Order: sequence, then structure tokens, then C-alpha cells
Amino acid sequence: QQPVQSPQAVILREGEDAVINCSSSKALYSVHWYRQKHGEAPVFLMILLKGGEQKGHEKISASFNEKKQQSSLYLTASQLSYSGTYFCGTAHGSSNTGKLIFGQGTTLQVKP
Amino acid sequence: GAVVSQHPSRVICKSGTSVKIECRSLDFQATTMFWYRQFPKQSLMLMATSNEGSKATYEQGVEKDKFLINHASLTLSTLTVTSAHPEDSSFYICSASPAAIGEQYFGPGTRLTVT
Repeated sequence: QQPVQSPQAVILREGEDAVINCSSSKALYSVHWYRQKHGEAPVFLMILLKGGEQKGHEKISASFNEKKQQSSLYLTASQLSYSGTYFCGTAHGSSNTGKLIFGQGTTLQVKP
Repeated sequence: GAVVSQHPSRVICKSGTSVKIECRSLDFQATTMFWYRQFPKQSLMLMATSNEGSKATYEQGVEKDKFLINHASLTLSTLTVTSAHPEDSSFYICSASPAAIGEQYFGPGTRLTVT
């Protein structure tokens, strides 16, 4: 089942912060985050493999709550380049095949 | 590093013809490659998982005889859309993963238009 992302869309001014949530109805093995700009391929941001794991990538970080079957992506001090659609991809099952199910996406627009 | 190429980037074909799309991992060996379809402003829908030297695993609802996948080597997978129809028009994206539970690196996508 497709994970649910919230919010569906968010508009920010440069320098503001945002949180994007990804929630699954099934137990999670891992969560992957990607950003896609219009007309381009998704770009890998980070992968979270363990419950409670937090990872950072410049001013973008993420957490993974295995019990709640949720992950959140944190964007701090947003830049214009952060604009795009963010997708979470979830992997399930103990014998993971690498297969991901992607959420519906969250569109982020950062304005000057 | 972790570059995936995809060719062609755009293709227009007539209804009833077949189209082949190539996906290559340029600087790593991909144990697994994935094929997705994406409609405008929508999410990535997994079509099939491709492993080198074995048959692809198709998602429910994806016709394996229509979307032929061949994974000839650890760096190349191809998707052939056979007897294409206008409803097959879409953005097809491949991804490659260097490890079974690793991140996926996406190709630039192929815009297929069937007239």
C-alpha cells in the first residue's frame, strides 16, 4: 500500500523551515527520500534503515520512527534550490528485495 | 558517481509499433534495476524489478507480454513496449541499485508518445 505523505504542498520563503511526513500502514524495513524537479529524474537524498535513525544532508535531515511506521524529512533554512517534489519510498518485509513503494509526493515551493 | 543513463530521452512512435528503452548504470554494477512509470504530477508507479540473468518480477496489473524486460548485464537493462497504443504514452524512468537494500539512482527518464 502506498505510503501517505503530508502535506501535499507547501510554500515557503527563503530561510524558513519545513517538515514533510511519510506514514505507512505496513511495517517498514527502510525509508528512502528523493527530490524531483519538474521534467527531471528523482534525486536520492537519504536512506534510513533503523528505527529511530536520523540522518543529515547539509540542511536537510530525516528521522525514522519504526514503531509509528513514520518518517519525517526536515528542511531548515530553505533555499530556492530546495523547490521540487519530495517523495518518500518505503521498503517492507524482512527479506527486502530493494523494491520501493513511493508516496504521492509533496510539492515544495521556495520563494525569494 | 552513481550515474544512470537512459536512452532515448524522447520517442514518438505510431500505434502498433514497438519501442525499446535502455537503462545503463555508468559507474557501478547494479544488482537490481527497476522500471517505473510516472504520469504528470503523479507518483512513481513501479512496473517491474529486474535482476541480471533472471526473469523480471512484474507488479500486479502490469502485462509482462506487453512490457518486455531484459537485464543482459550488471550495467544494462532494457524495456520494450510492444504494440504500443496511445494509452502507453507516459514518462518511463529506470533506476539502478548497487546493493539489494541500497539507495536507487534514477535515470533521466524517457518520454514516450504514441500517436
